[in-house]
Amino acid sequence: AQTVTQSQPEMSVQEAETVTLSCTYDTSESDYYLFWYKQPPSRQMILVIRQEAYKQQNATENRFSVNFQKAAKSFSLKISDSQLGDAAMYFCAYRSAGGNEKLTFGTGTRLTIIP
Amino acid sequence: NAGVTQTPKFQVLKTGQSMTLQCAQDMNHNSMYWYRQDPGMGLRLIYYSASEGTTDKGEVPNGYNVSRLNKREFSLRLESAAPSQTSVYFCASSRWGGNYNPIYFGEGSWLTVV
Repeated sequence: AQTVTQSQPEMSVQEAETVTLSCTYDTSESDYYLFWYKQPPSRQMILVIRQEAYKQQNATENRFSVNFQKAAKSFSLKISDSQLGDAAMYFCAYRSAGGNEKLTFGTGTRLTIIP
Repeated sequence: NAGVTQTPKFQVLKTGQSMTLQCAQDMNHNSMYWYRQDPGMGLRLIYYSASEGTTDKGEVPNGYNVSRLNKREFSLRLESAAPSQTSVYFCASSRWGGNYNPIYFGEGSWLTVV
């Protein structure tokens, strides 16, 4: 069974600075997908970014980018130019490429933005 | 643009009562899911439905039943609520045809069992 670990329960960053959230996962599969979801105080789960395991190029979405290290089973999220609206819980998630469609989540990192 | 809609948003139940959480999506997605979120934990899958007419158990199915009424709707039923089922419940949906497709979530339903 796959597991996802987020070892930082809480992080904080100054507004306009850059912060990196860590995520590691354990799997025996070679093909899979990784996601970062954001959950603001409203509790809505919002997709931030996704990565295909067979692609070496790191995904980017505006101020959000990932550092995907397949051999190390690491998938960190970098937020550049942090904004107050980035304050939220961030969840890393794993999904197999085929068969079982289950999305496995980490326990989350609470990000605080300091004005 | 409704997306995934859940009802009710808030509910307080007494131990032993039953209730159904309703979910509908308007994105023509094949796959639908029910997750629960507890403090300090990520979301855990209760049940999912890969397509109309099929349902499968997830990580934490005990105490729940589901019905995939049609392509749009996927309901979650608690037959005899227990305090351990106090949680925030999320319905979600995804397009079939590749697990790269993101899963879209509803706004959540806060359920308290006293």
